Amino acid sequence: GENVEQHPSTLSVQEGDSAVIKCTYSDSASNYFPWYKQELGKGPQLIIDIRSNVGEKKDQRIAVTLNKTAKHFSLHITETQPEDSAVYFCAASGFQKLVFGTGTRLLVSP
Amino acid sequence: GAVVSQHPSRVICKSGTSVKIECRSLDFQATTMFWYRQFPKQSLMLMATSNEGSKATYEQGVEKDKFLINHASLTLSTLTVTSAHPEDSSFYICSARPGQGTVSPLHFGNGTRLTVT
Repeated sequence: GENVEQHPSTLSVQEGDSAVIKCTYSDSASNYFPWYKQELGKGPQLIIDIRSNVGEKKDQRIAVTLNKTAKHFSLHITETQPEDSAVYFCAASGFQKLVFGTGTRLLVSP
Repeated sequence: GAVVSQHPSRVICKSGTSVKIECRSLDFQATTMFWYRQFPKQSLMLMATSNEGSKATYEQGVEKDKFLINHASLTLSTLTVTSAHPEDSSFYICSARPGQGTVSPLHFGNGTRLTVT
């Protein structure tokens, strides 16, 4: 089955800096790669996703890149703000199931 | 956008009792819903896939007799934790997606914090 690895587990940045979170997946059949933001005590919130026929997608300060050959994808957050502090999960989806990475705790200091 | 509502948000129960958690898709129909479990500071682990009108599909290691799933309509799935024990204490989250297939976004409820005393 699919296995998703995520790095780093924690990431501390200063407000205004960029943050990058990287994930790798194992199943070459996976074709959908969402990113979720989870705040304390809440369910995950979809922030951006990318499909396998696209190499890059951007939405304001957030961008995701996908390298299908290498089987890795990354989340880029620019101009970070304190409200970006949360746990971020990558995921990969093949047939039906969504498999999550281990999560990255992002802390943005003012 | 697609909204998934989960109830209750928190529940405390005594060991040996059963607890029911509801998951509703508010503005779309979902033939399939997913139930996840999350331990503190850990990732989400898929427990089971709930299928409207048929039996749920459980992941390896998840006891189907302990975690009863019912998906009686296109907008409601329920998870019942039977004979709960302290080790069942966890954060349970449901999810659903509008449309078919694996490339439409999966939306999550806000989770249920279960504490078994």
